[in-house]
Amino acid sequence: EAQVTQNPRYLITVTGKKLTVTCSQNMNHEYMSWYRQDPGLGLRQIYYSMNVEVTDKGDVPEGYKVSRKEKRNFPLILESPSPNQTSLYFCASSLARTDTQYFGPGTRLTVL
Amino acid sequence: AQSVTQLDSQVPVFEEAPVELRCNYSSSVSVYLFWYVQYPNQGLQLLLKYLSGSTLVKGINGFEAEFNKSQTSFHLRKPSVHISDTAEYFCAVSSLNTGNQFYFGTGTSLTVIP
Repeated sequence: EAQVTQNPRYLITVTGKKLTVTCSQNMNHEYMSWYRQDPGLGLRQIYYSMNVEVTDKGDVPEGYKVSRKEKRNFPLILESPSPNQTSLYFCASSLARTDTQYFGPGTRLTVL
Repeated sequence: AQSVTQLDSQVPVFEEAPVELRCNYSSSVSVYLFWYVQYPNQGLQLLLKYLSGSTLVKGINGFEAEFNKSQTSFHLRKPSVHISDTAEYFCAVSSLNTGNQFYFGTGTSLTVIP
């Protein structure tokens, strides 16, 4: 089944404790992206990747890192999480930028 | 940067009535426009997209949207809604002069009343 998977689905952590949210897709997609969704703000793009080893900043990259060492995986790293990073995070992938983006189920992160 | 404005944060409508969800974007040379739907506790799914060609775009579940370049709008319409259309709807834009980024609107919550 074609899908985007994210882990974990739910995470509660404390300020400053490094964490990684994994994202994997099995559709051989080139374009991958991370978004955060906050009430009243919609979705905002954090980082995106056009292909392996090619990543670029979206609208709200501060406090986040990503890597794209393999085509299928695009982990999101929070090296020192802060409470303002409490949010719902979505990973998405598409064949190309103008194609349909397929979204993962989301990761709800709470930083205390 | 690109901005995307969804003018209505909440739209209540009776079952079988028509609905229009509005989306405006800031002017750009060339844009790609999308509407996504998010059902409760799920990720987003594509409803329809405009890349080029005919300005009237048909999507899934009976939805359609019209690209209006002069008004910089991409409003979503459905002639007769069902209870199952209750969801959050997001307009999204990507354009040649903003690189490969995507910009989403703040969303419109559509509630269909029986």
